[in-house]
Amino acid sequence: QQPVQSPQAVILREGEDAVINCSSSKALYSVHWYRQKHGEAPVFLMILLKGGEQKGHEKISASFNEKKQQSSLYLTASQLSYSGTYFCGTEGGTSGTYKYIFGTGTRLKVLA
Amino acid sequence: NAGVTQTPKFRILKIGQSMTLQCAQDMNHNYMYWYRQDPGMGLKLIYYSVGAGITDKGEVPNGYNVSRSTTEYFPLRLELAAPSQTSVYFCASRPGGADQPQHFGDGTRLSIL
Repeated sequence: QQPVQSPQAVILREGEDAVINCSSSKALYSVHWYRQKHGEAPVFLMILLKGGEQKGHEKISASFNEKKQQSSLYLTASQLSYSGTYFCGTEGGTSGTYKYIFGTGTRLKVLA
Repeated sequence: NAGVTQTPKFRILKIGQSMTLQCAQDMNHNYMYWYRQDPGMGLKLIYYSVGAGITDKGEVPNGYNVSRSTTEYFPLRLELAAPSQTSVYFCASRPGGADQPQHFGDGTRLSIL
């Protein structure tokens, strides 16, 4: 079953923060985050593995709670370039099943 | 490196026609995937492959077929095209291991009229 992301959409002003959540009904081995601009392919942001540490990339970081089967993406001091649709990608099972599916998506719009 | 290459980039089909969407990767990745993305929606897994000769169904396999005779190529076949198959199709690949991300092609925009 497809992981559910929340919120579905969010509008921010430059400099504001946002949190995007990804929740799965199945056990997760890893969670990956991507951003997709309109008309383009998704672009990889970061990976979180079961038992791994919280990851960070500049002002974008993420966490993974394997017990709750949830991951959150944190965007701080948002920039115009952060606009796009964010997807979590998940691979289930205890050691990965290779069936790689994406969450429902969160549309993020950053305004000047 | 070219990465993941998809052809064609655009195509218009008539209802009932068939076609093959091509996908090739030059990174020697074992795992390859086909997704479809309807307008304003997320990515749905159609089929995937963990190696040459091995394929499996994803979330929305009906109306599609795949084959994987080599590591490099993973074509997607549409038989009897229907308007509901109008979508953007993305091919992706990744090496083995859960710590590896998907590498996407640029997509094929398909309209069925």
